[in-house]
Amino acid sequence: QKEVEQDPGPLSVPEGAIVSLNCTYSNSAFQYFMWYRQYSRKGPELLMYTYSSGNKEDGRFTAQVDKSSKYISLFIRDSQPSDSATYLCAMTVWGLTGGGNKLTFGTGTQLKVEL
Amino acid sequence: SAVISQKPSRDICQRGTSLTIQCQVDSQVTMMFWYRQQPGQSLTLIATANQGSEATYESGFVIDKFPISRPNLTFSTLTVSNMSPEDSSIYLCSVDGTSNEQFFGPGTRLTVL
Repeated sequence: QKEVEQDPGPLSVPEGAIVSLNCTYSNSAFQYFMWYRQYSRKGPELLMYTYSSGNKEDGRFTAQVDKSSKYISLFIRDSQPSDSATYLCAMTVWGLTGGGNKLTFGTGTQLKVEL
Repeated sequence: SAVISQKPSRDICQRGTSLTIQCQVDSQVTMMFWYRQQPGQSLTLIATANQGSEATYESGFVIDKFPISRPNLTFSTLTVSNMSPEDSSIYLCSVDGTSNEQFFGPGTRLTVL
């Protein structure tokens, strides 16, 4: 079993839809959670970063963490064609000083927002 | 966030040759990381490079195959040695942010024939 599971998609939605992207994980030591967006032929771009259970909102994006269920989600409201990309969840263990934390990634969900 | 550049952006190489990938950051950072992203798979950490010391390799990756240099706090190189088609992948460098997030470069797309 992989430490982080993510549905690879592809997920196709109409413009304006609410998108829900999800990851589950098995390692209860994970404390920091991130969502990256990766456009084709580009490096991953950090979208959201959170370390506590609950919701964190940034514009059209909401990151949700449920540590008791080992489940994280990214919601995209009013989705746009420019949101079409691969979305990667990533997580790491709490508190290694000076950085140097190893990120464990999901496989990514490919999203297409259609006009 | 740091601005990270990588060279080359892509390359096509012959089996048995080696390629050195460069990663440049616009600010001084303690740790730099090298990842591999194979087609249809998640990012996998190859090694962590700390300036002034040997790189730390993850399970399944060895220094002879992926030698890394870290001559200063803004630069690192990863060499893919004695390449085979299985090494065809995107290679990414990243650096830590102020918390535990990481920022990535644009990647180097490698094809081995």
